[in-house]
Amino acid sequence: RKEVEQDPGPFNVPEGATVAFNCTYSNSASQSFFWYRQDCRKEPKLLMSVYSSGNEDGRFTAQLNRASQYISLLIRDSKLSDSATYLCVVNDDYKLSFGAGTTVTVRA
Amino acid sequence: EPEVTQTPSHQVTQMGQEVILRCVPISNHLYFYWYRQILGQKVEFLVSFYNNEISEKSEIFDDQFSVERPDGSNFTLKIRSTKLEDSAMYFCASSYRTGTDYGYTFGSGTRLTVV
Repeated sequence: RKEVEQDPGPFNVPEGATVAFNCTYSNSASQSFFWYRQDCRKEPKLLMSVYSSGNEDGRFTAQLNRASQYISLLIRDSKLSDSATYLCVVNDDYKLSFGAGTTVTVRA
Repeated sequence: EPEVTQTPSHQVTQMGQEVILRCVPISNHLYFYWYRQILGQKVEFLVSFYNNEISEKSEIFDDQFSVERPDGSNFTLKIRSTKLEDSAMYFCASSYRTGTDYGYTFGSGTRLTVV
């Protein structure tokens, strides 16, 4: 079983739309969860941490459901600049385990 | 904003040759990592390094790979005898504690092409 599984997409949405996607993780002992953003052939960049209570950062909302081992990301009022691959990441001590990514394309 | 610097940005090497990928982590960081991403695939953990020794390594990090912090500022990944399947983007990262909430930062990567 893959450690971190994501819906690969792609999600093609118009500007201003809301888009949401999910990820599941296999290690119930995992403690820290994150969403990263990766642009084509660039390094992953931290978008936001994900907390059990859910958290928001501007137009981005992340949720964690530990019982179901499920993480979600919602992007409101999509901008063209949100077009990227979003990586679900689980931290187990020293290493980060990455999902394969969800591709989002925002069109004008 | 502090950066993790990787050199070179792109390296082409012949199969069987040794390569050394170089990284300069952020200066007050204590933990160092290498990850790789084969084209079209996910980012994979290779190795973590703390206090001048390997903390954890993945099954990918076999005897062909080694890491070193030779001079207190650089952190290197050596691949002893490259194979075609070593072609990938290699990312160095550093943090001042374990976990991403402690300044975990990635470099811009070295694209390794083995021909």
